Amino acid sequence: DTEVTQTPKHLVMGMTNKKSLKCEQHMGHRAMYWYKQKAKKPPELMFVYSYEKLSINESVPSRFSPECPNSSLLNLHLHALQPEDSALYLCASSQEKEGGVRTDTQYFGPGTRLTVL
Amino acid sequence: QKEVEQNSGPLSVPEGAIASLNCTYSDRGSQSFFWYRQYSGKSPELIMSIYSNGDKEDGRFTAQLNKASQYVSLLIRDSQPSDSATYLCAVSYMDSNYQLIWGAGTKLIIKP
Repeated sequence: DTEVTQTPKHLVMGMTNKKSLKCEQHMGHRAMYWYKQKAKKPPELMFVYSYEKLSINESVPSRFSPECPNSSLLNLHLHALQPEDSALYLCASSQEKEGGVRTDTQYFGPGTRLTVL
Repeated sequence: QKEVEQNSGPLSVPEGAIASLNCTYSDRGSQSFFWYRQYSGKSPELIMSIYSNGDKEDGRFTAQLNKASQYVSLLIRDSQPSDSATYLCAVSYMDSNYQLIWGAGTKLIIKP
């Protein structure tokens, strides 16, 4: 089973709202990721948590705040977003090894379609 | 700078034919190679992973890796209209802590 779940599927928010995106996996993966994807572009890495610690922050504005409450859950807290932040937000988790080789194979959730008005 | 390049397409292939998708990468320190399929408005779905030179087959899909020439390809046999999607090539590097470098994606259209 390689399922990553995300809620909500769709989110519309105003620029003054505070909302959160949630991601969950029960595959025992120890790394989890947040990506942002705009139309006709590849995913753009935002944050990586490895063993529940933030290991990569790709210079993301502070209006995006990640949180990893435990090894299965990943949240992305949103505050004071801009219309240009409208995008598909993807969560992924990775399997460290495949056939004994380290590959960090990433599996994606269905995404949250975010619209900022 | 590590780069992954793909022809953006669209690549149009008749139903039942073989679709061939190509990807080149710039850095010989690459470790693992992935093909993801993405339907419009949906999330990327892992199709194939490969990390050794040669071919890897899974059903109608074959991934081919040539590290000397720095390319990886995906062949789809007996193409179906349901294969119409954007195919993203991604490469991971040990010195980048295995983060993925993405190609821009190739849009594949299978014509009935």
